[in-house]
Amino acid sequence: EAEVAQSPRYKITEKSQAVAFWCDPISGHATLYWYRQILGQGPELLVQFQDESVVDDSQLPKDRFSAERLKGVDSTLKIQPAELGDSAMYLCASSLVGTGYSGANVLTFGAGSRLTVL
Amino acid sequence: AQSVTQPDIHITVSEGASLELRCNYSYGATPYLFWYVQSPGQGLQLLLKYFSGDTLVQGIKGFEAEFKRSQSSFNLRKPSVHWSDAAEYFCAVGAGTASKLTFGTGTRLQVTL
Repeated sequence: EAEVAQSPRYKITEKSQAVAFWCDPISGHATLYWYRQILGQGPELLVQFQDESVVDDSQLPKDRFSAERLKGVDSTLKIQPAELGDSAMYLCASSLVGTGYSGANVLTFGAGSRLTVL
Repeated sequence: AQSVTQPDIHITVSEGASLELRCNYSYGATPYLFWYVQSPGQGLQLLLKYFSGDTLVQGIKGFEAEFKRSQSSFNLRKPSVHWSDAAEYFCAVGAGTASKLTFGTGTRLQVTL
């Protein structure tokens, strides 16, 4: 069964350092999502890509977070500088549907990247 | 904007007992509804989904859920819980057309032997 790949699985960093997470969606999936899940809470969307274009980044803290999906395949989420409050699980998901598809949207999630900021 | 409420933060059931996890949603049109399960330190696995048609949907691992439009609910059920079902369960709502999912805060299920 196809999977969404994420790395690293775990990352410990000190505040003010830079950190990056990588995601490789299921082959052929047009839409890619980055969610942040703080311990004890549900996932919250940070950014959504349709191919290489950003569809929704309204909840992305743009002063320190950036995301790219240059060739419309894999994606990188960067935090610089990291803050204590960034400690969370960062989940990547992908879905097959693209612009113009009117049906329902099923997201497949990766195993996540757990970030601890000291 | 859509939203999801899971009123139970934590539920404990005995192995073999039945289970019902509650989910209420808010959305102006017909929603797409999902239940995901998350084991500790892992990503989310899709249990089942409702798009249209039969309001009782079957999922993996013996789970089912019923969509009730009049109550804006999509409760998850299982007739007999196994110890391996202990995990966190998330209800989510989507609006279709490559849209994001909005998740509830989750219900942590503990199973006693």
